[in-house]
Amino acid sequence: QVQLKESGPGLVQPSQTLSLTCTVSGFSLTSNSVHWVRQPPGKGLEWVGAIWSGGSTDYNSALKSRLSISRDTSKSQVFLKMNSLQTEDTAIYFCTSPGGYYHPFDYWGQGVMVTVSS
Amino acid sequence: DIVMTQTPSSQAVSAGEKVTMSCKSSQSLLYSENKKNYLAWYQQKPGQSPKLLISWASTRESGVPDRFIGSGSGTDFTLTISSVQAEDLAVYYCEQYYDTPFTFGSGTKLEIK
Repeated sequence: QVQLKESGPGLVQPSQTLSLTCTVSGFSLTSNSVHWVRQPPGKGLEWVGAIWSGGSTDYNSALKSRLSISRDTSKSQVFLKMNSLQTEDTAIYFCTSPGGYYHPFDYWGQGVMVTVSS
Repeated sequence: DIVMTQTPSSQAVSAGEKVTMSCKSSQSLLYSENKKNYLAWYQQKPGQSPKLLISWASTRESGVPDRFIGSGSGTDFTLTISSVQAEDLAVYYCEQYYDTPFTFGSGTKLEIK
């Protein structure tokens, strides 16, 4: 069955770089896209960006200058890197995958809480 | 970017009652070539990841109770719960996957009286 699991540091200092990993199983990264969605404490969901099955990427325009998404298909891992972190980046970060190309998000990881604080 | 507007922000109902919530998009989500609306509804219970309830505006996912009904087309969409149960306590989000950046509504919090 399809599974996604996020991992990364729970605490990042302001102005530093966040690095998260999403490890997937049950599907190939060359067959389906992986997206990142974040949720600040007590707030709604925000699409962060995606890496498509062909390897191209799309980013939230508000985050684009600070964001990079990449992958290692041999390890079934997707990476998110966001630099110049601010307190407003404190959130639960989910990785998620749709059931097909331009489908909604059928599969979700459990999420990882990232706190930006000194 | 496509803006998704959800109303109300919260709603309190008694078990067994019917509830409706609205989602409006700033542009049409109906793709003319396949006549599909690229609109999904998610349920997020406290402390959990979102769960896909409805895709293509009105198609219930496998295992979703038939009391959850999605309707609408173009820019106006509705999620109806025909007879609310205690386990439906959650925040409900709509999302457009018509175009990137994909965007979510701000959510409707359903409370049970």
